[in-house]
Amino acid sequence: DADVTQTPRNRITKTGKRIMLECSQTKGHDRMYWYRQDPGLGLRLIYYSFDVKDINKGEISDGYSVSRQAQAKFSLSLESAIPNQTALYFCATSDGTRLSFGDGTRLSIL
Amino acid sequence: QKEVEQNSGPLSVPEGAIASLNCTYSDRGSQSFFWYRQYSGKSPELIMFIYSNGDKEDGRFTAQLNKASQYVSLLIRDSQPSDSATYLCAVTGGATNKLIFGTGTLLAVQP
Repeated sequence: DADVTQTPRNRITKTGKRIMLECSQTKGHDRMYWYRQDPGLGLRLIYYSFDVKDINKGEISDGYSVSRQAQAKFSLSLESAIPNQTALYFCATSDGTRLSFGDGTRLSIL
Repeated sequence: QKEVEQNSGPLSVPEGAIASLNCTYSDRGSQSFFWYRQYSGKSPELIMFIYSNGDKEDGRFTAQLNKASQYVSLLIRDSQPSDSATYLCAVTGGATNKLIFGTGTLLAVQP
C-alpha cells in the first residue's frame, strides 16, 4: 500500500466548479505539502502544514485553500476552478529532511 | 534569475557512460541540496542529498557540492536505459528556508 495516497488520480471538470483533492498518509509525518507541476515550470509549492493547527501559504496559493483534518489528512480545494489550474498536483510528506510524494492527481479544467 | 536553475535537456548519453547533471542556485545561505528522479507520469523520488562541500557517493550516484560556486551536480556512472528520467534539483535553507525545485533535466540513456 502506498504511504502517501492521493484521490482522485484523475479528474476532468468545468470552469467554475469546486474541486477537492485529498491526501492521506501512513508515514506518521507531521509535515505535509501540496505542489503543482507544470511543463517547464517544475514543482511549485501551493500550501504546507507542519501540524494540524499550522497552515502556511506557499509561492502560488491564490485560488487554492487547504484543510488539515488530522495529522494524516491534508486536502486541497479549488473554490472556483479555472483553466490555468490544469496541472499535475502532488501531495508530499516530510520527516524534516526528505519529501515522500503521492502518485499525483492529474486535473484538467475545461 | 531563477532561484534554482537546471538545463532542461535532453541530455543524451550512451549506455555505460557517465551522465553529468548540473544545478546552480542563487541563495548563498542555502544549506541542504537534494536530487530527485522522476519517471514520466510518476512522482518524484529522492535519490541523493548532500549538505557539505565535496562529494557524496551512493552506488552509481555521486553528488557534488561547491557552495563557493553555488553549484551542485549529480554524476551517474555506468548509465543504464532505466536511468532515463527527469532529474530535479532541490535546495533548501537560506532566506526563506523553503524547499525550492529546479525545473529538471531530462536524461536519455541510449542503448
